[in-house]
Amino acid sequence: SAVISQKPSRDICQRGTSLTIQCQVDSQVTMMFWYRQQPGQSLTLIATANQGSEATYESGFVIDKFPISRPNLTFSTLTVSNMSPEDSSIYLCSVVEGSTEAFFGQGTRLTVV
Amino acid sequence: QKEVEQNSGPLSVPEGAIASLNCTYSDRVSQSFFWYRQYSGKSPELIMSIYSNGDKEDGRFTAQLNKASQYVSLLIRDSQPSDSATYLCAVRWDSGYSTLTFGKGTMLLVSP
Repeated sequence: SAVISQKPSRDICQRGTSLTIQCQVDSQVTMMFWYRQQPGQSLTLIATANQGSEATYESGFVIDKFPISRPNLTFSTLTVSNMSPEDSSIYLCSVVEGSTEAFFGQGTRLTVV
Repeated sequence: QKEVEQNSGPLSVPEGAIASLNCTYSDRVSQSFFWYRQYSGKSPELIMSIYSNGDKEDGRFTAQLNKASQYVSLLIRDSQPSDSATYLCAVRWDSGYSTLTFGKGTMLLVSP
């Protein structure tokens, strides 16, 4: 499976600021996704990162709050904008390849104070 | 709304026993099913995928799929303390590269 590198692994941020999370894959992949996992909860899909076009957002998530870039088939970024304590979560990059199985990066643990 | 349901647990089993984890889903025409293991503070790790009715075995793990009854299960034989984790069931509703819907996960505790 592809090797997925996500950074930062964790950060503590002040409310009102923004954080950009990077996801780098060691091979070209068709699909990249961004998930959020709030404390004690399961994974919720934020958006599908589309190469060369705007991301496709799930209900409840908007581009102004979570802008996403995907300039090529191996890299994507997720920005969490104007953060509040409610944004404290683990953010996960996921890729799908080959047999349609999904794999995850190490995650970014974000705490907003 | 398409949903994936799991008992949150914890499911407690002694070392060496069989752990049985269950998952039900709401859409009869779902295509693909996955089990992920997530240790505390870590990201999900794919254990098994299953696409057709019946059993699929991989080492100590067996996934069972029954599309008519809309459930998928994961059996862990000879459970070890290192198997203690949260197990997430995920369903892909359509074919191809569509997104996954995750259940809330079942916490498994294996006692020595």
